[in-house]
Amino acid sequence: DSGVTQTPKHLITATGQRVTLRCSPRSGDLSVYWYQQSLDQGLQFLIQYYNGEERAKGNILERFSAQQFPDLHSELNLSSLELGDSALYFCASSATGGRLSSGANVLTFGAGSRLTVL
Amino acid sequence: AQKVTQAQTEISVVEKEDVTLDCVYETRDTTYYLFWYKQPPSGELVFLIRRNSFDEQNEISGRYSWNFQKSTSSFNFTITASQVVDSAVYFCALSEAVKVKTIFGAGTRLFVKA
Repeated sequence: DSGVTQTPKHLITATGQRVTLRCSPRSGDLSVYWYQQSLDQGLQFLIQYYNGEERAKGNILERFSAQQFPDLHSELNLSSLELGDSALYFCASSATGGRLSSGANVLTFGAGSRLTVL
Repeated sequence: AQKVTQAQTEISVVEKEDVTLDCVYETRDTTYYLFWYKQPPSGELVFLIRRNSFDEQNEISGRYSWNFQKSTSSFNFTITASQVVDSAVYFCALSEAVKVKTIFGAGTRLFVKA
């Protein structure tokens, strides 16, 4: 058990729907990262939060949004779902990742949330 | 721009064989970090190693060893005397000092047959 908790583990929904994926970081970690893993795109960085603030953004679609709450858990909201959004969504956490971060952050990953859009 | 290339999509070996997983990276930064992560069939990515750009010393940890060569922008991973439990997808990753995001290569799927 890595200490990073993701729910739900599996989710099946229909096109056009909206879902929320939840992540609790490892105790003491202030940064949360979201990654999307699909067969054709590999592991893609979506977004990172540090202590409640957005810190870095990757290839995140406008239909997707995220936030990190005061208790440091994070949620990734996916709306107007399309078939191509079917993927494994990983959350990772690290102790650092703020403005003075050096980029040396070791990521601790959760088990992922598998989203299937039908 | 950051880029990580793992040209080997799949590798299949027989138990006890040595196997090397290749990783080539691109970055304009002089300070950066390289990582290897393992994704076993269970799905959760597990951290294996981190090297910074100023430390080109090779590292050995049990049956695992890593060869970092700045001259060829490579950070290769060798498993000696492979075991069935080594079967997994292995990802090489890169993070630049001024950016917090870590980008991953496409991964290499390793099959170790008994």
